[in-house]
Amino acid sequence: ETGVTQTPRHLVMGMTNKKSLKCEQHLGHNAMYWYKQSAKKPLELMFVYNFKEQTENNSVPSRFSPECPNSSHLFLHLHTLQPEDSALYLCASSQDTQPQYFGPGTRLTVT
Amino acid sequence: QKEVEQNSGPLSVPEGAIASLNCTYSDRGSQSFFWYRQYSGKSPELIMSIYSNGDKEDGRFTAQLNKASQYVSLLIRDSQPSDSATYLCAVNPWAAGNKLTFGGGTRVLVKP
Repeated sequence: ETGVTQTPRHLVMGMTNKKSLKCEQHLGHNAMYWYKQSAKKPLELMFVYNFKEQTENNSVPSRFSPECPNSSHLFLHLHTLQPEDSALYLCASSQDTQPQYFGPGTRLTVT
Repeated sequence: QKEVEQNSGPLSVPEGAIASLNCTYSDRGSQSFFWYRQYSGKSPELIMSIYSNGDKEDGRFTAQLNKASQYVSLLIRDSQPSDSATYLCAVNPWAAGNKLTFGGGTRVLVKP
């Protein structure tokens, strides 16, 4: 595997389900990010992890819970989501302030 | 005022012509600037980074930065239908650490 990988690529979940998104970076970077991209909206930064420590929570609702067990892996745990949470969820990584590289994303649909 | 502004487009360009995309930003202390290309349904792909005033060329792409006027532009020479995508401008504001602020993107359509 190279670059940034994300699983699953597509996810359909009900409002009462619990699911997790996984991201793995193979670039040796020290920072990882979660973004949300909704239709017709700019990319929204959700969380930032530097050296596996959370350094940014951009006022994200508690139904989204990130986890970063090490600098190569990042999870986004989802529970009791709302239909408006349907979006493309993107993971990215970078080395310090160098460019961010994105994974392919998870297309989430909440029914 | 939005922190990073782009014209949403679509910017319609004949095949073989030059596509010119502009981006303005509000934080005068911003240091790093990036252009990403995003095809429909796909994730953003880094195509250019620029850090100092002037032009930077990479293949058919040229990024131009003017910090005094707070704008960064992207030129795509000899545009191809495969260049049809949304182009995102991203800026690393001063004191933001490693966070990027993205513009809304400019949709480019290259017509054969």
